[in-house]
Amino acid sequence: GAVVSQHPSRVICKSGTSVKIECRSLDFQATTMFWYRQFPKKSLMLMATSNEGSKATYEQGVEKDKFLINHASLTLSTLTVTSAHPEDSSFYICSAANSNQPQHFGDGTRLSIL
Amino acid sequence: GESVGLHLPTLSVQEGDNSIINCAYSNSASDYFIWYKQESGKGPQFIIDIRSNMDKRQGQRVTVLLNKTVKHLSLQIAATQPGDSAVYFCAENSGGSNYKLTFGKGTLLTVNP
Repeated sequence: GAVVSQHPSRVICKSGTSVKIECRSLDFQATTMFWYRQFPKKSLMLMATSNEGSKATYEQGVEKDKFLINHASLTLSTLTVTSAHPEDSSFYICSAANSNQPQHFGDGTRLSIL
Repeated sequence: GESVGLHLPTLSVQEGDNSIINCAYSNSASDYFIWYKQESGKGPQFIIDIRSNMDKRQGQRVTVLLNKTVKHLSLQIAATQPGDSAVYFCAENSGGSNYKLTFGKGTLLTVNP
């Protein structure tokens, strides 16, 4: 149990493009979803926390207008990187949790902006 | 174990040996801890968790030890296999209601055949 699916697994696109990443909890209802960014050989850096039906809470230094998060249902959250630039290239990972499930992670999205 | 610096801490063991990965956590108010395994190019995978009212918990081939006095957490892997090669992260929850976790820097475990 506690399977989290993230899509797409890899995106390569031109600078200025907006990119949407989906995170789905497949077998449990996720009251809370998290979005992380990870640089090579580094730990996970929390970007934002989203609760179903509420606005996301962003960590300090993360631009909310740049990284749009929607958590419209108990099984789906999306992260949209707006007008992406090369410095946004990274590995983005989502996780989902509820009162019975600690954070379980998707397999990440490798975003490359040319 | 964990350390400050640019390089990921590493642990290299022989196949069949036992591995011990250490983690020093930061918040004395933390009441829940998790170990995750992350293979290259994948998301972290839940291994085992422990609450602060326990000092030891065992799973299949893995044991987590918690020493609250010195804020130390360890993961022991018995009979380490090549498939155990990965980066291992400890994570702590400081009791917030939002299931938020703070992650350690990670330790790269390499198992030599």
